[in-house]
Amino acid sequence: NAGVTQTPKFQVLKTGQSMTLQCAQDMNHNSMYWYRQDPGMGLRLIYYSASEGTTDKGEVPNGYNVSRLNKREFSLRLESAAPSQTSVYFCASSLAGHQETQYFGPGTRLLVL
Amino acid sequence: AQSVAQPEDQVNVAEGNPLTVKCTYSVSGNPYLFWYVQYPNRGLQFLLKYITGDNLVKGSYGFEAEFNKSQTSFHLKKPSALVSDSALYFCAGKYSSASKIIFGSGTRLSIRP
Repeated sequence: NAGVTQTPKFQVLKTGQSMTLQCAQDMNHNSMYWYRQDPGMGLRLIYYSASEGTTDKGEVPNGYNVSRLNKREFSLRLESAAPSQTSVYFCASSLAGHQETQYFGPGTRLLVL
Repeated sequence: AQSVAQPEDQVNVAEGNPLTVKCTYSVSGNPYLFWYVQYPNRGLQFLLKYITGDNLVKGSYGFEAEFNKSQTSFHLKKPSALVSDSALYFCAGKYSSASKIIFGSGTRLSIRP
């Protein structure tokens, strides 16, 4: 089992460019999550998907969109990147819902110039 | 507002000594509480969780945490620290069937030989 995988590992964007962060899990989990990690602020939830076909906003959704492509895949899109979106992005999955243990991917480090 | 607080940014302990990483929470119900660990350039890994029942929860790598309802605390402990325990530790909580998980800001644990 690969667990949770994320691509790319690292990306540099210019302000205004767009990109999609990819996430996939092979644990047959129903719920998937996108977080950003910034120094001193812990992890903040951007979007989550409780189950295939559903998505919901987290604490910091502005500037992002998500797609739950199927049960395995959950992508995060930045339509017009801003320097404030420089961060480390983590995808996670859990069996069913926020009360369950989450399993995290290795992260994507994004730098917006 | 519901929250999770980690009052210490950094904890320094000598190898072999006991360690404590503090976490407090504010809730309006019965919480689900978690501890996760993050090693450099890696995603978060689950250590342990409290749902209900026994207030002392045992987890991975010899860690344990005590749920204290009167003090609204969920401190992480280990009787004898190892240098390999050096990492970033996150407390997280979920407070009702409808709420989302919230992460603390993290505590960097440094174990000196």
